[in-house]
Amino acid sequence: AQKITQTQPGMFVQEKEAVTLDCTYDTSDQSYGLFWYKQPSSGEMIFLIYQGSYDEQNATEGRYSLNFQKARKSANLVISASQLGDSAMYFCAMRGTLSNSGYALNFGKGTSLLVTP
Amino acid sequence: DSGVTQTPKHLITATGQRVTLRCSPRSGDLSVYWYQQSLDQGLQFLIHYYNGEERAKGNILERFSAQQFPDLHSELNLSSLELGDSALYFCASSVRGSGGNTGELFFGEGSRLTVL
Repeated sequence: AQKITQTQPGMFVQEKEAVTLDCTYDTSDQSYGLFWYKQPSSGEMIFLIYQGSYDEQNATEGRYSLNFQKARKSANLVISASQLGDSAMYFCAMRGTLSNSGYALNFGKGTSLLVTP
Repeated sequence: DSGVTQTPKHLITATGQRVTLRCSPRSGDLSVYWYQQSLDQGLQFLIHYYNGEERAKGNILERFSAQQFPDLHSELNLSSLELGDSALYFCASSVRGSGGNTGELFFGEGSRLTVL
């Protein structure tokens, strides 16, 4: 079975600073995908970034980058130059090929990020 | 705007009642996923449909059922509602239903259900 762990319930960061949100995972799949989503207070789930298990380079999307360490089974999200609008819940998620959930994403509990002026 | 439409956005009902949540996926997406988000359980996968057929079940209660229609919209039916069913219910869609690990899910804005 797959498991996603986000150990930081809450994080603070000052505007314009970088922040790293932790995510570790456990899976017996050889091929899998890792995703990060943002959920602002309005409630919608916004896709941020994707990393495939066989991708050789860490994924980047604008100010978002994924620090993928396969041997450590970690997929940390790095947000550079934080903005006030980055304040939200952030969820790490995984899709594998062998999970009972088929091709659904399995989500961690989330990390609440607050960006302060 | 993800392109996924969910109705209603808010719903208040009483215990023992039955409600239906509706989802229209993005144009061209064949897969629909339903999730439940509550404070204590987090985001829980309920069920996945691909092109009208059930593909996978997650933590879906027997009191809940879903279907996907020929026009690809989906409905989640919740019956004999209990206080603990109060949650935000998300529908998500994607193009892929099988094969490969790429392809993010596009989420609707959710339907917030309150059971009194």
